[in-house]
Amino acid sequence: DIQMTQSPSSVSASVGDRVAITCRASQGVSTWLAWYQQKPGTAPKLLIYGASSLQSGVPSRFSGSGSGTEFTLTISSLQPEDFATYYCQQTNSFPNTFGQGTKLEIK
Amino acid sequence: QVQLQESGPGLLKPSETLSLTCSVSGASTSTYYWSWIRQSPEKGLEWIGHIYNSGDTNYNPSLKRRVTISIDTSKNQFSLRLNSVTAADTAVYYCARVGSGHYDACDVWGQGTKVIVSS
Repeated sequence: DIQMTQSPSSVSASVGDRVAITCRASQGVSTWLAWYQQKPGTAPKLLIYGASSLQSGVPSRFSGSGSGTEFTLTISSLQPEDFATYYCQQTNSFPNTFGQGTKLEIK
Repeated sequence: QVQLQESGPGLLKPSETLSLTCSVSGASTSTYYWSWIRQSPEKGLEWIGHIYNSGDTNYNPSLKRRVTISIDTSKNQFSLRLNSVTAADTAVYYCARVGSGHYDACDVWGQGTKVIVSS
């Protein structure tokens, strides 16, 4: 199985800050990488697919980059509704696997 | 608007069979691929498997001996069966649509249903 490792596991930031979350794959996944946002008690929500394509309806302050084994989710200017947990997922090979999550908290 | 809704028992005893159904509205199960994913504090998000509109499936090898995903296009539903459950199968179970042209990412999710395995 491909192992997905996110860093940091948690981060504190303020409204208006720029935040970057990294996801590393134990082997190359090309650009078969998705990012999700999850708030407590709700299902994950797709933000980015194909490593850098913005899902319809997602604000443009979210962006994704990377290919192969290293990927980044960037939020350019944090809004109050962005405080949540973020997950990466590789869909290059079965079993699809998720990172352990990065919890974004208010400073 | 596409909506998915999981249904099924929320409490099981060890060795019983978990059976969940995902009812789909706003999209046809004969058009997309569909997925089951579960989440627990211990394992995080865990992909269980996909079913294609052809009925072909792919399963997580860690569950393959116990899992079956099926589809009923006439009812616009797909289902999950997991045999011989243990406490380790306690989790929130989500059904999801694999988005077309989305690099197999899941673009629509159900709200999730909590399943507890306890004697």
